Amino acid sequence: AQKVTQAQTEISVVEKEDVTLDCVYETRDTTYYLFWYKQPPSGELVFLIRRNSFDEQNEISGRYSWNFQKSTSSFNFTITASQVVDSAVYFCALTDAYSGAGSYQLTFGKGTKLSVIP
Amino acid sequence: DSGVTQTPKHLITATGQRVTLRCSPRSGDLSVYWYQQSLDQGLQFLIQYYNGEERAKGNILERFSAQQFPDLHSELNLSSLELGDSALYFCASSDGTGPQGGPYNEQFFGPGTRLTVL
Repeated sequence: AQKVTQAQTEISVVEKEDVTLDCVYETRDTTYYLFWYKQPPSGELVFLIRRNSFDEQNEISGRYSWNFQKSTSSFNFTITASQVVDSAVYFCALTDAYSGAGSYQLTFGKGTKLSVIP
Repeated sequence: DSGVTQTPKHLITATGQRVTLRCSPRSGDLSVYWYQQSLDQGLQFLIQYYNGEERAKGNILERFSAQQFPDLHSELNLSSLELGDSALYFCASSDGTGPQGGPYNEQFFGPGTRLTVL
């Protein structure tokens, strides 16, 4: 069975600080995809990034960066120079071939609520 | 804007009642996924349809059912509602996957329907 663990329930940082959100996953498949989603107070789910299991390159997009390490089954997300607009709940998610033949439903972690204080 | 629409945005009803949530996928997307986000369970996959047929089931209660129509819109029916069914229900669509699976295709989430059962 697949599982995603986000051990940090809530994090508060002061604006301009860097913050890392942790994500640890479990899957029995060798082919899988990892995601990060942002859920602002308005409630919608905003896709941030997708990573497949064969691509361990770290990625940077503006102030966002992701560190994927298969050896530790982790896919951590760092926000550099945080801003108030980054305040949201962030979800890590996983899908793999064992979700069911022909289905790629997502398994989500419980989420980390990030509060950026001005 | 993801291109996925959900109606209604908010729904308030009483215990024991039945409601229908509607989802229109992005143009051309054949797959529709339903997810439930509650305080207790977090974000959970409920059910997936592909081109009118059920593809996968997750933690969906027997009181809940769904269908996908020839025009590809989908409805999630919730009956004999209980207080614990209060949640945010998301629909997501993608242009995969069919019976043979295949490469992963992105899921795009709608804005959600917030259901409150009183």
